[in-house]
Amino acid sequence: SQTIHQWPATLVQPVGSPLSLECTVEGTSNPNLYWYRQAAGRGLQLLFYSVGIGQISSEVPQNLSASRPQDRQFILSSKKLLLSDSGFYLCAWITAQGEQYFGPGTRLTVT
Amino acid sequence: GEDVEQSLFLSVREGDSSVINCTYTDSSSTYLYWYKQEPGAGLQLLTYIFSNMDMKQDQRLTVLLNKKDKHLSLRIADTQTGDSAIYFCAEAKDNYGQNFVFGPGTRLSVLP
Repeated sequence: SQTIHQWPATLVQPVGSPLSLECTVEGTSNPNLYWYRQAAGRGLQLLFYSVGIGQISSEVPQNLSASRPQDRQFILSSKKLLLSDSGFYLCAWITAQGEQYFGPGTRLTVT
Repeated sequence: GEDVEQSLFLSVREGDSSVINCTYTDSSSTYLYWYKQEPGAGLQLLTYIFSNMDMKQDQRLTVLLNKKDKHLSLRIADTQTGDSAIYFCAEAKDNYGQNFVFGPGTRLSVLP
């Protein structure tokens, strides 16, 4: 069966510090992978998606970047965090049948 | 444009039925989803329905789709305290996740 992991689960970082969030998927190959952000009391905003190694598409201009160094690894990064980067970050992948499954999420607090 | 709307809050008594409503604007949406998010956790896919269906039932969950009115609902029978969570409606034109559009979520509170 497929499993999706995110690391870390929670993170508190000061403004201006770098960020690296990791997402890994098990049990599937060449998945389409997605990064979403969920701000407090709001819905999900798609940040990035990737259809393959080294292929990243950005949905919104922002302070963040993404990379896909391996087939089952998706990384969300920032060189300098802003207060507005605080939120709950979710990684997801999608099956060929259109079912999108989410990881457990990383709660980021920028102070 | 694309927009998915939901009521933000719903309270029900334990044992009653819950009905969570969602409206969407893109008539070309092919897939319609319901996700559940428990506190501090990721989203769990509950169920989904294709646009050529009117209803789908899965144990305590019933999904109704009114394509003419672009209205989707999730009915939870015999609501339990463990059903307390945020429920997200989402629409998609295809099975590429970059085309998913999520609603703001409905926070369901189940009262004893």
